Amino acid sequence: AQSVTQLDSQVPVFEEAPVELRCNYSSSVSVYLFWYVQYPNQGLQLLLKYLSGSTLVKGINGFEAEFNKSQTSFHLRKPSVHISDTAEYFCAVSRYSGYALNFGKGTSLLVTP
Amino acid sequence: EPEVTQTPSHQVTQMGQEVILRCVPISNHLYFYWYRQILGQKVEFLVSFYNNEISEKSEIFDDQFSVERPDGSNFTLKIRSTKLEDSAMYFCASSARLAGDEQYFGPGTRLTVT
Repeated sequence: AQSVTQLDSQVPVFEEAPVELRCNYSSSVSVYLFWYVQYPNQGLQLLLKYLSGSTLVKGINGFEAEFNKSQTSFHLRKPSVHISDTAEYFCAVSRYSGYALNFGKGTSLLVTP
Repeated sequence: EPEVTQTPSHQVTQMGQEVILRCVPISNHLYFYWYRQILGQKVEFLVSFYNNEISEKSEIFDDQFSVERPDGSNFTLKIRSTKLEDSAMYFCASSARLAGDEQYFGPGTRLTVT
Protein backbone atom coordinates (compact mmCIF):
# COMPACT_ATOMS: atom_id res chain seq x y z
CA ALA A 1 0.00 0.00 0.00
CA GLN A 2 1.03 3.59 -0.52
CA SER A 3 0.82 6.37 2.03
CA VAL A 4 1.56 10.07 2.14
CA THR A 5 2.70 12.23 5.03
CA GLN A 6 2.40 15.99 4.92
CA LEU A 7 4.54 17.18 7.75
CA ASP A 8 2.96 20.59 8.27
CA SER A 9 -0.75 21.05 8.88
CA GLN A 10 -0.48 24.85 8.63
CA VAL A 11 2.10 27.12 7.04
CA PRO A 12 1.79 30.88 7.59
CA VAL A 13 3.91 33.04 5.28
CA PHE A 14 4.15 36.68 4.28
CA GLU A 15 3.31 37.81 0.78
CA GLU A 16 6.26 37.66 -1.66
CA ALA A 17 8.19 35.28 0.61
CA PRO A 18 9.25 31.83 -0.59
CA VAL A 19 7.43 28.76 0.66
CA GLU A 20 8.03 25.02 0.80
CA LEU A 21 5.29 22.51 1.61
CA ARG A 22 6.68 19.14 2.55
CA CYS A 23 5.46 15.74 1.41
CA ASN A 24 6.92 12.31 2.04
CA TYR A 25 5.55 9.06 0.72
CA SER A 26 6.03 5.37 1.29
CA SER A 27 5.40 2.63 -1.22
CA SER A 28 6.75 -0.79 -2.06
CA VAL A 29 6.15 -0.16 -5.79
CA SER A 30 6.84 2.69 -8.17
CA VAL A 31 4.31 5.50 -7.99
CA TYR A 32 3.04 8.65 -9.59
CA LEU A 33 3.03 11.78 -7.42
CA PHE A 34 0.67 14.75 -7.45
CA TRP A 35 -0.01 18.05 -5.77
CA TYR A 36 -3.57 19.32 -5.70
CA VAL A 37 -4.87 22.67 -4.40
CA GLN A 38 -8.29 23.36 -2.93
CA TYR A 39 -9.55 26.93 -2.72
CA PRO A 40 -12.42 27.64 -0.31
CA ASN A 41 -15.70 26.08 -1.39
CA GLN A 42 -14.19 24.58 -4.50
CA GLY A 43 -13.05 21.15 -5.69
CA LEU A 44 -9.47 19.97 -5.94
CA GLN A 45 -7.38 21.29 -8.81
CA LEU A 46 -4.17 19.71 -10.06
CA LEU A 47 -1.07 21.86 -9.55
CA LEU A 48 1.51 19.45 -10.96
CA LYS A 49 2.41 15.80 -11.27
CA TYR A 50 5.45 13.58 -11.51
CA LEU A 51 5.16 10.50 -13.70
CA SER A 52 8.75 9.92 -14.85
CA GLY A 53 11.74 11.72 -16.33
CA SER A 54 13.07 14.98 -14.94
CA THR A 55 12.80 15.10 -11.17
CA LEU A 56 11.97 18.83 -11.18
CA VAL A 57 8.38 19.37 -12.19
CA LYS A 58 6.84 22.74 -12.95
CA GLY A 59 3.15 23.36 -12.49
CA ILE A 60 0.58 26.08 -12.68
CA ASN A 61 0.66 29.39 -10.78
CA GLY A 62 4.47 29.36 -10.47
CA PHE A 63 4.67 26.24 -8.32
CA GLU A 64 7.28 23.52 -8.75
CA ALA A 65 8.15 20.29 -6.99
CA GLU A 66 11.16 18.02 -6.85
CA PHE A 67 10.94 14.26 -6.74
CA ASN A 68 13.63 12.75 -4.54
CA LYS A 69 13.56 8.97 -4.71
CA SER A 70 16.24 8.37 -2.09
CA GLN A 71 14.43 10.54 0.44
CA THR A 72 10.96 9.49 -0.80
CA SER A 73 9.94 13.12 -0.90
CA PHE A 74 8.02 15.39 -3.25
CA HIS A 75 8.19 18.87 -1.72
CA LEU A 76 6.26 21.75 -3.28
CA ARG A 77 7.91 25.15 -3.63
CA LYS A 78 7.13 28.64 -4.81
CA PRO A 79 9.75 31.42 -4.79
CA SER A 80 7.29 34.25 -4.11
CA VAL A 81 3.74 33.70 -2.88
CA HIS A 82 0.67 35.88 -3.39
CA ILE A 83 -2.35 36.43 -1.19
CA SER A 84 -4.34 34.42 -3.73
CA ASP A 85 -2.22 31.32 -2.98
CA THR A 86 -4.02 30.98 0.35
CA ALA A 87 -5.61 27.53 0.10
CA GLU A 88 -5.36 23.91 1.20
CA TYR A 89 -2.66 21.88 -0.56
CA PHE A 90 -2.79 18.11 -0.87
CA CYS A 91 -0.01 15.72 -1.85
CA ALA A 92 -1.17 12.43 -3.40
CA VAL A 93 0.28 9.20 -4.74
CA SER A 94 -1.02 6.45 -7.01
CA ARG A 95 0.31 3.11 -8.17
CA TYR A 96 1.46 2.75 -11.73
CA SER A 97 -1.16 0.18 -12.50
CA GLY A 98 -3.99 1.49 -10.40
CA TYR A 99 -6.06 4.60 -10.38
CA ALA A 100 -6.83 5.44 -6.76
CA LEU A 101 -5.22 8.59 -5.42
CA ASN A 102 -3.98 8.27 -1.84
CA PHE A 103 -3.93 11.72 -0.29
CA GLY A 104 -2.05 13.25 2.58
CA LYS A 105 -3.92 15.18 5.26
CA GLY A 106 -3.27 18.49 3.58
CA THR A 107 -1.35 21.65 4.42
CA SER A 108 -3.17 24.91 4.93
CA LEU A 109 -1.15 27.76 3.40
CA LEU A 110 -2.03 31.18 4.77
CA VAL A 111 -0.45 34.14 3.01
CA THR A 112 -0.68 37.49 4.79
CA PRO A 113 0.37 40.99 3.70
CA GLU B 1 -13.42 24.93 -19.77
CA PRO B 2 -15.17 21.62 -19.09
CA GLU B 3 -15.79 20.79 -15.47
CA VAL B 4 -17.21 18.11 -13.23
CA THR B 5 -20.49 19.10 -11.60
CA GLN B 6 -22.16 17.63 -8.52
CA THR B 7 -25.63 17.89 -7.08
CA PRO B 8 -26.79 18.71 -4.53
CA SER B 9 -24.15 20.90 -2.92
CA HIS B 10 -25.47 20.01 0.53
CA GLN B 11 -27.75 17.20 1.62
CA VAL B 12 -29.13 16.54 5.06
CA THR B 13 -30.62 13.12 5.78
CA GLN B 14 -31.70 11.07 8.74
CA MET B 15 -29.80 8.00 9.86
CA GLY B 16 -31.01 4.89 8.05
CA GLN B 17 -32.24 6.75 4.99
CA GLU B 18 -30.97 6.14 1.47
CA VAL B 19 -29.18 8.94 -0.36
CA ILE B 20 -28.07 9.33 -3.94
CA LEU B 21 -25.31 11.76 -4.79
CA ARG B 22 -25.11 12.82 -8.41
CA CYS B 23 -22.21 13.79 -10.61
CA VAL B 24 -21.82 14.77 -14.24
CA PRO B 25 -18.24 13.95 -15.32
CA ILE B 26 -16.44 15.66 -18.17
CA SER B 27 -18.04 14.39 -21.35
CA ASN B 28 -15.16 12.61 -23.07
CA HIS B 29 -13.71 11.07 -19.91
CA LEU B 30 -13.76 7.33 -19.40
CA TYR B 31 -12.81 6.85 -15.73
CA PHE B 32 -14.94 7.99 -12.84
CA TYR B 33 -14.21 8.13 -9.14
CA TRP B 34 -15.74 8.90 -5.77
CA TYR B 35 -13.74 10.20 -2.82
CA ARG B 36 -14.84 11.44 0.56
CA GLN B 37 -13.40 13.77 3.17
CA ILE B 38 -14.63 13.56 6.74
CA LEU B 39 -14.27 16.92 8.47
CA GLY B 40 -10.71 17.42 9.62
CA GLN B 41 -9.43 14.29 7.94
CA LYS B 42 -7.76 13.50 4.65
CA VAL B 43 -9.44 12.86 1.32
CA GLU B 44 -10.09 9.11 1.00
CA PHE B 45 -10.61 7.05 -2.13
CA LEU B 46 -13.87 5.11 -2.32
CA VAL B 47 -14.23 3.62 -5.80
CA SER B 48 -13.22 3.90 -9.43
CA PHE B 49 -15.46 2.96 -12.37
CA TYR B 50 -14.61 2.16 -15.97
CA ASN B 51 -16.56 0.60 -18.79
CA ASN B 52 -19.63 0.17 -16.58
CA GLU B 53 -17.73 -1.78 -13.96
CA ILE B 54 -15.99 -1.07 -10.68
CA SER B 55 -12.27 -1.18 -11.44
CA GLU B 56 -11.00 -0.60 -7.91
CA LYS B 57 -12.53 0.00 -4.50
CA SER B 58 -11.32 0.68 -1.00
CA GLU B 59 -12.27 -1.09 2.20
CA ILE B 60 -14.57 1.82 2.97
CA PHE B 61 -16.73 0.94 -0.03
CA ASP B 62 -18.76 -1.85 1.56
CA ASP B 63 -22.17 -3.29 0.70
CA GLN B 64 -23.88 -0.08 1.82
CA PHE B 65 -22.39 1.75 -1.14
CA SER B 66 -23.08 1.33 -4.84
CA VAL B 67 -22.26 3.27 -7.98
CA GLU B 68 -24.04 3.52 -11.28
CA ARG B 69 -23.85 5.28 -14.59
CA PRO B 70 -27.55 5.29 -15.40
CA ASP B 71 -27.20 7.16 -18.67
CA GLY B 72 -24.49 8.66 -20.83
CA SER B 73 -23.84 11.63 -18.61
CA ASN B 74 -24.56 10.96 -14.93
CA PHE B 75 -22.52 9.01 -12.39
CA THR B 76 -24.15 8.32 -9.04
CA LEU B 77 -23.14 7.16 -5.58
CA LYS B 78 -25.84 5.52 -3.50
CA ILE B 79 -25.63 4.94 0.23
CA ARG B 80 -28.38 2.49 1.17
CA SER B 81 -28.75 3.08 4.88
CA THR B 82 -26.82 6.09 6.07
CA LYS B 83 -24.94 6.14 9.34
CA LEU B 84 -23.77 9.12 11.36
CA GLU B 85 -20.19 8.36 10.32
CA ASP B 86 -21.11 8.77 6.64
CA SER B 87 -21.26 12.52 7.23
CA ALA B 88 -18.55 13.93 4.97
CA MET B 89 -17.81 15.88 1.83
CA TYR B 90 -18.11 13.57 -1.18
CA PHE B 91 -16.09 14.40 -4.26
CA CYS B 92 -16.65 13.01 -7.73
CA ALA B 93 -13.77 12.99 -10.22
CA SER B 94 -13.16 11.89 -13.78
CA SER B 95 -10.12 11.30 -15.95
CA ALA B 96 -9.50 10.71 -19.60
CA ARG B 97 -7.61 7.55 -20.13
CA LEU B 98 -4.47 6.32 -18.44
CA ALA B 99 -3.23 5.83 -14.92
CA GLY B 100 -1.45 9.05 -14.04
CA ASP B 101 -3.79 11.21 -16.14
CA GLU B 102 -5.16 14.15 -14.24
CA GLN B 103 -8.29 13.50 -12.25
CA TYR B 104 -10.66 16.45 -12.47
CA PHE B 105 -12.65 16.97 -9.30
CA GLY B 106 -16.11 18.36 -8.76
CA PRO B 107 -16.89 20.90 -6.02
CA GLY B 108 -18.26 18.22 -3.72
CA THR B 109 -21.52 17.38 -1.95
CA ARG B 110 -21.61 17.89 1.78
CA LEU B 111 -23.63 15.06 3.32
CA THR B 112 -24.88 15.54 6.84
CA VAL B 113 -26.48 12.54 8.55
CA THR B 114 -28.52 13.35 11.65
